[in-house]
Amino acid sequence: EDKVVQSPLSLVVHEGDTVTLNCSYEVTNFRSLLWYKQEKKAPTFLFMLTSSGIEKKSGRLSSILDKKELFSILNITATQTGDSAIYLCAVKGNNDMRFGAGTRLTVKP
Amino acid sequence: EAGVAQSPRYKIIEKRQSVAFWCNPISGHATLYWYQQILGQGPKLLIQFQNNGVVDDSQLPKDRFSAERLKGVDSTLKIQPAKLEDSAVYLCASSSTTGRYNEQFFGPGTRLTVL
Repeated sequence: EDKVVQSPLSLVVHEGDTVTLNCSYEVTNFRSLLWYKQEKKAPTFLFMLTSSGIEKKSGRLSSILDKKELFSILNITATQTGDSAIYLCAVKGNNDMRFGAGTRLTVKP
Repeated sequence: EAGVAQSPRYKIIEKRQSVAFWCNPISGHATLYWYQQILGQGPKLLIQFQNNGVVDDSQLPKDRFSAERLKGVDSTLKIQPAKLEDSAVYLCASSSTTGRYNEQFFGPGTRLTVL
């Protein structure tokens, strides 16, 4: 059965810290891995990764995929209180998108 | 560009009652998804439509849940009868099959509480 496992489940840091969120997966016919940020209700898209070893970067956030070891990491540098959210990893196979449980990040001032 | 619209935003019902949720996707998006997100968990796909046809409903509890997208645009998700464990946020998302990244855009969700 396809599965997506995120770690840690929760993380508390202080402003300015750097964090690394992990996502490992097992899915048949892998097509892409996506990262979302969920602050209130609706997840908002961050990155989509399809190829190994190519870093995607947006400001202080970056992500990379390892298709051999079946995992991805999401890095956030110089964290701010506005980064507090649940970060969701989702993996897309042939049809459906399967989400992990998410990592709840809390950034304290 | 208008986003995905959902209504109602909140709904409280008693168990064994029926409830329906509505979703209007982004204009031109052929693919529509319904997700159930239980507190503390990631969203779980319930059903995926491509235009007005069902692509995947393998995780939809068909004894009580139903969904339709008759004209290939907006969609309704119904629960009849509701159980306590149906309490969750129901998210609707849409995507354009012609989009470069096939990114899913999510609506604000409907928070359902079953008492």
